This record gives sequence, structure tokens and C-alpha cells, in this order.
Amino acid sequence: AQSVTQLDSHVSVSEGTPVLLRCNYSSSYSPSLFWYVQHPNKGLQLLLKYTSAATLVKGINGFEAEFKKSETSFHLTKPSAHMSDAAEYFCVVTLGSGTYKYIFGTGTRLKVLA
Amino acid sequence: DAGVTQSPTHLIKTRGQQVTLRCSPKSGHDTVSWYQQALGQGPQFIFQYYEEEERQRGNFPDRFSGHQFPNYSSELNVNALLLGDSALYLCASSQVLGQGSYEQYFGPGTRLTVT
Repeated sequence: AQSVTQLDSHVSVSEGTPVLLRCNYSSSYSPSLFWYVQHPNKGLQLLLKYTSAATLVKGINGFEAEFKKSETSFHLTKPSAHMSDAAEYFCVVTLGSGTYKYIFGTGTRLKVLA
Repeated sequence: DAGVTQSPTHLIKTRGQQVTLRCSPKSGHDTVSWYQQALGQGPQFIFQYYEEEERQRGNFPDRFSGHQFPNYSSELNVNALLLGDSALYLCASSQVLGQGSYEQYFGPGTRLTVT
């Protein structure tokens, strides 16, 4: 069975400091992994995806994530937080091919302090 | 190019009633998935439609049903509404391209309140 665990429900950082949002996954198959962001009253926007190519994945708005199979992790990072990054972030796992259901984590709310 | 659209934006229903939510996929997409997002939770997969057939289903009761039309748009129907059905219902579309691109694009959601 597949599952995903987001280790922090809330993360606070100061503007200009690095962001780290942690995600661990469990999958019996080669997983595909995604990070989505959800701003208040907005739909989910894809930040980046891992689909068994390069293990370091670069996404939009300066975010990146590294797939570490030995640690079953897919942590999201950004070198310097911006006020506009404040939102809810979801880590998602799915089967490695085709179009299948997404398994979402419970989310991490990122707060950026001025 | 319009993205995924959903209607209505908000809806208030009474326990026991029935509701229909609608979704139009992104242009070029042929697969539609529905998710329920309760307050403070991550979205939960309800089901997925492809070629007008339900291809996969999550752990939701039969009160939840759907349909996909020849133009790939989709409806989600919920019968005998319960208070616990209050949530944001998200539609996502994607395109089957063999082993290729299959990321799902989400609509803004329909906020359903059951009183």
C-alpha cells in the first residue's frame, strides 16, 4: 500500500531564510512523487514532480526536492523564503506510471514572517 | 486556454438531499478525478473516470457516484447527504500518454456545506 507522511503540520520561517518541508513515503512500487501548493481559496498548483528520472527535481518559484530512495524521503526546499510562499503544501505519491489516484499527505502550513 | 473549471463555486444543502457537482477538464485532457477535502485535511480520492467509465475508486460509499460525458466533462453526485459530507470537492484532469505526462491539474473546487 502507498502512503505519505508530512512530518510537520506547521512550519514558520523568516523572509529570506531557507525553507524545508519534510515528506516521507511508503510504496510497494516505484513511486511518482509530487509537491502541490494551495493558497487560501485557491486550487492546487503543481510545484514539481519526480517520475524516476533525475533525483534532484527543480520546480517553479525556486523550489526543489530531492528523491532519496534509501531514506524514502522527498523533502521540499527553497533557499530563500518570500512572503508570497505562505500557503499549504501537500506531498503526493502515486504509482509510477499511467494516471492513477493521488495519495495526499495531511499538508504542511508554511508561515513566512516579515 | 482555460484550465479546469468547476461549478458551482459554493453550495448549501440540507441533510438527506442530493447534490450534483460539475467539472470541465483542461483542454486536451481525457481523464477526470474527484477528491474530497475536509477542513484541515489533505484531499481524499473519490474516483476517476476515463473513456466514460469509472476506472478506479477510493473508500467512499455508493452514495457517491459519477459520470463522464463524451466531451470528457464530468459530474459528481452525492445522495442522502450527511453533515460529514461538508467539504471542498476538487476535480482534477489529466491526459493518458502511456508512460508520459500524467500530472493532474486541479480546479478551484466546489465548497459544499450540509446543514
